[in-house]
Amino acid sequence: AQSVTQLDSQVPVFEEAPVELRCNYSSSVSVYLFWYVQYPNQGLQLLLKYLSGSTLVKGINGFEAEFNKSQTSFHLRKPSVHISDTAEYFCAVSDSLTSGTYKYIFGTGTRLKVLA
Amino acid sequence: EAGVTQFPSHSVIEKGQTVTLRCDPISGHDNLYWYRRVMGKEIKFLLHFVKESKQDESGMPNNRFLAERTGGTYSTLKVQPAELEDSGVYFCASSRPGLAGSNTQYFGPGTRLTVL
Repeated sequence: AQSVTQLDSQVPVFEEAPVELRCNYSSSVSVYLFWYVQYPNQGLQLLLKYLSGSTLVKGINGFEAEFNKSQTSFHLRKPSVHISDTAEYFCAVSDSLTSGTYKYIFGTGTRLKVLA
Repeated sequence: EAGVTQFPSHSVIEKGQTVTLRCDPISGHDNLYWYRRVMGKEIKFLLHFVKESKQDESGMPNNRFLAERTGGTYSTLKVQPAELEDSGVYFCASSRPGLAGSNTQYFGPGTRLTVL
């Protein structure tokens, strides 16, 4: 079965510093990868997705992620964070191996806390 | 275009009671998914509708959970009778017609269910 690992449950970082949120997945076949963000008291919002093509994917709010097939990773990065980036971030893979539903398999989430 | 909406936003019930959660997907989205996040754990898939048909309900915890999508529009998720371990945030997501791993799922804000 596919799985997604987000090793860091919480990441504190100072404002204007760079940040990387790590995501590793387990799959031996082609995958579709997503990063979602959940701001306090809101739903999940799509940040970016990797479907195919260029391994560097740019998303909203200055975020980007790099797909690395050999390392089965899809780490999220931002060169300079703002207080408003404080939120929980979820990595997900679209499961195409079972039942054809393309349901998402999520990681446990990473809480990013941006400090002034 | 309106997003995915869920009602209620919060529900607090006693063990043994019944609760019904509602999800209104984005208009025209045939695919509707239910997910659940128990505190501290990952977001987990519950089931998937294509229009009014259940495509995959492999994630439903037990027969106390009943999901319906009459007419292929909104969906309800009923828990009867509720148990303490049913507490969590229930998310609904929808995606456009057709099944493809590249289809982005759009999430609602979730319903926070607390069973006392």
